[in-house]
Parts: sequence; structure tokens; C-alpha cells
Amino acid sequence: SAVISQKPSRDICQRGTSLTIQCQVDSQVTMMFWYRQQPGQSLTLIATANQGSEATYESGFVIDKFPISRPNLTFSTLTVSNMSPEDSSIYLCSVQDREDSPLHFGNGTRLTVT
Amino acid sequence: SQKIEQNSEALNIQEGKTATLTCNYTNYSPAYLQWYRQDPGRGPVFLLLIRENEKEKRKERLKVTFDTTLKQSLFHITASQPADSATYLCALYTGGFKTIFGAGTRLFVKA
Repeated sequence: SAVISQKPSRDICQRGTSLTIQCQVDSQVTMMFWYRQQPGQSLTLIATANQGSEATYESGFVIDKFPISRPNLTFSTLTVSNMSPEDSSIYLCSVQDREDSPLHFGNGTRLTVT
Repeated sequence: SQKIEQNSEALNIQEGKTATLTCNYTNYSPAYLQWYRQDPGRGPVFLLLIRENEKEKRKERLKVTFDTTLKQSLFHITASQPADSATYLCALYTGGFKTIFGAGTRLFVKA
């Protein structure tokens, strides 16, 4: 299965600043996703990162707040913009090859906004 | 909207016993259902996938059942070990490369 590296693993940021999270996969993958996991809650899909085009965002998430890039089939970034304490969460990158194949996840980025 | 319910209370069992975790869902008929394991500070790791036309799936000490009439999946770990202590997530495939997750159940296995 794909090996997924996420950077940074954790960060503490000030309100109003932005943080870019990187996701690198060791092989080409069809689909890349970004999830958010708040303490004690389920994973929530933020968006699907599309290679060479704009990401597809889920309800409640917008491009201005969470811009995403995917320049090729092995790399994606998620930016959390103009952060507030409510953005404190774990952000996870995941990949999937086919619709009926399992998701593989990075170890996440633990973000704390003060 | 689709809703997945997993027991939010932690499950505490003695080593060697069988752990049974429950996943109930509403408002959807998923083509398949998955179970993942998540350890603190790590991303979820895939364990098992069961399709709508399968009643039961096994992998080593793990067994999953899928009842599409009850809209329920049960996840069993037999001969449980302290190393099985983790959070277990249920996930539904909802179509179009989209998967939704339950909040998970924490399992503690005592030696």
C-alpha cells in the first residue's frame, strides 16, 4: 500500500495566520483527499484534491479558507487560512486508487491555534 | 443525511475475551462498509471491507458482519490482546469516491 508522508506533524499557530500542510505519496495515486478530525469526533471530508484543476469542496468548506493544490499524482497541499481557535484540529491526507479500494492515511497534522 | 453511530463509550474487556463493536447507520444503502483502526497520534489504518452482498468476512482474529436490513455492522476481535487497544472506526462508502466515518469506539484490553 502507498506510504504517505505529511508535514508538519504538528504546529502551534497564532490567530489570523495561515499554515500550509504538505502530503507526499511514494507512488502515483488516483484520488487524494483532505479530512479534518476534531477531538472525539469523526473524520470529516474537507475536499477532494484534483490533479491539475480546482479541488472539490464538501458542504461547509470553501476554497478561500482551505485552498488546496495538487500539481501532480503524488503531492498535494492544504492551506488553513486566517486561522481561528476553531480551526484547531487534526488534518489528515488520504489516498485511494479505486472506488472499491480502502483509504490510506498519513499520520496527520495536529494544529493548535492560539 | 447519512448518519453513522458507534458506541461513544469506551469498551473495556479482559485479555482473551471477544470484543464486539457495533456500527449502526441510517438513510443510506452503502455498497460496502469498512473498519479502520486508529492509534493515538496516527492516521486510521484499514482492517476489513465487507460488501452489501456479503454477510460475514474474516481475517485472522477479526470478523465483520453486515446486516443491510438492520443497517448494522458488528466487528469482533476474538482472543483479544492488550495490543488490540485502539479506536476502531466504521466507514461507509456513499458513492463517487466518498467515504463517511463514524466517531469510533475506544477499546481497552486489560492484561
